[in-house]
Amino acid sequence: EIVLTQSPGTLSLSPGERATLSCRASQSVNSRYLAWYQQKPGQAPRLLIYGASSRATGIPDRFSGSGSGTDFTLTISRLEPEDFAVYYCQQYGSLPRTFGQGTKVDIK
Amino acid sequence: QVQLQEWGPGLVKPSETLSLTCTVSGGSISGHYWSWIRQPPGKGLEWIGYVFYSGTANYNPSLKSRVAISVDMSTNQFYLNLSSVTAADTAVYYCATGYYSYYFDYWGQGTLVTVSS
Repeated sequence: EIVLTQSPGTLSLSPGERATLSCRASQSVNSRYLAWYQQKPGQAPRLLIYGASSRATGIPDRFSGSGSGTDFTLTISRLEPEDFAVYYCQQYGSLPRTFGQGTKVDIK
Repeated sequence: QVQLQEWGPGLVKPSETLSLTCTVSGGSISGHYWSWIRQPPGKGLEWIGYVFYSGTANYNPSLKSRVAISVDMSTNQFYLNLSSVTAADTAVYYCATGYYSYYFDYWGQGTLVTVSS
C-alpha cells in the first residue's frame, strides 16, 4: 500500500498569498497517477487536479499541480476567500487507492 | 450530469451489518466503476472499494474480510455491506465515481452512520 504524507498539517495564510502544499508518497506513484481534492466543512470533496497536473473541469487556473515519482505539489497562486479549506492528495497508480491525511489552509 | 445519493440507516448496533445504497441518476451504471469512500468525524478519507458494472469488485485489504459491494443495473443502484461493525466504523460514507476506478469527480453528499448500542 502506498502511504501518502501531506505537509504541512496546517497552513495559515492571508487572501492573496500563495499556498504551496506537499504530498510525499512512500513509493513511486505510477505514471503521475495523483489527484488533489478540496473539501469544505459539511461538503463532499471536490476534484481539483488529476494526472498530477491536469485541472478538472471548471477549476480556476490559480490551482496548479506538479511533481512526479514520490513528490507532488499543489500550488494556489493567489488565495481567494473561498479557497480556505482542507486539501487531500490521492494516488491511483496502485490498489488500494489511498489518500493523504490532509492539509488545512486557514485564514491568518 | 451524474448525480449520486446515498441512503440507509443512520444508526447501527455494534456487531451488526451496515448497509447503504447509492442511487445513480443522470447517467447509467453500465460501463463504469462505482466506489465507496468513508471519513470518520474530523479525520481523513479512506477508500473502501469499488464495483464494476459487471459485478467485479475490489476492496481495501484493511476491510476486505468484512465488506461487500454489489451493483444492480436494473435499478441503477449500487450497495455497500460492512459486517461486524464497531465504533471505529462510525463515519460519513460517500459513494463516488469518476474516470475508471482511478479518481473521483462525482460524489454523493455523504451519509453519517453511527455505530452505537
